[in-house]
Amino acid sequence: SQQGEEDPQALSIQEGENATMNCSYKTSINNLQWYRQNSGRGLVHLILIRSNEREKHSGRLRVTLDTSKKSSSLLITASRAADTASYFCATDAKGGSEKLVFGKGTKLTVNP
Amino acid sequence: NAGVMQNPRHLVRRRGQEARLRCSPMKGHSHVYWYRQLPEEGLKFMVYLQKENIIDESGMPKERFSAEFPKEGPSILRIQQVVRGDSAAYFCASSPPAGVTDTQYFGPGTRLTVL
Repeated sequence: SQQGEEDPQALSIQEGENATMNCSYKTSINNLQWYRQNSGRGLVHLILIRSNEREKHSGRLRVTLDTSKKSSSLLITASRAADTASYFCATDAKGGSEKLVFGKGTKLTVNP
Repeated sequence: NAGVMQNPRHLVRRRGQEARLRCSPMKGHSHVYWYRQLPEEGLKFMVYLQKENIIDESGMPKERFSAEFPKEGPSILRIQQVVRGDSAAYFCASSPPAGVTDTQYFGPGTRLTVL
């Protein structure tokens, strides 16, 4: 079965630095989405990138998708302490039922 | 436009009791998904419903778990005879009819604790 895997599992940086998180998956997808989860809270949708797109920007976020390598990256530029959270990628399998398959996430800590 | 609403936010049950979790999708959304999250884990898909229909229940345990999304009212995830292993955060997500967007919007979750 398809599974998203993020790396690193944990990342600690200083405020102002950039943070890069990676995600790999196993099967063909319709799209890939990134979500943020603050500790003990629900998920906030960040960005969706379709399988025919290679790069997408939203504010300080930049997402890339390489379908030949079945991988994606999320870059957060000029990080802030408020970016501290867990970040998950989720994939929607081509030909599937629209269910999302999540990885275990990257826990990002931004130190002030 | 209110987001996805779930209640209760926290639920404590003793082993053998029933747990009923409710989810009201965003206005205009006809698709509902339930996911379960264990501590320090990602979310695992359980079931996908449209009004009065179960579309995909491939992630639902075969026994004790059921879900419905009636014509009127919220979607309900029901867990009968709960066991300690059912302790987790249960998230509901909703999306509009196909062709509008593939984005799923999540509620705040219900944290179930089984004593």
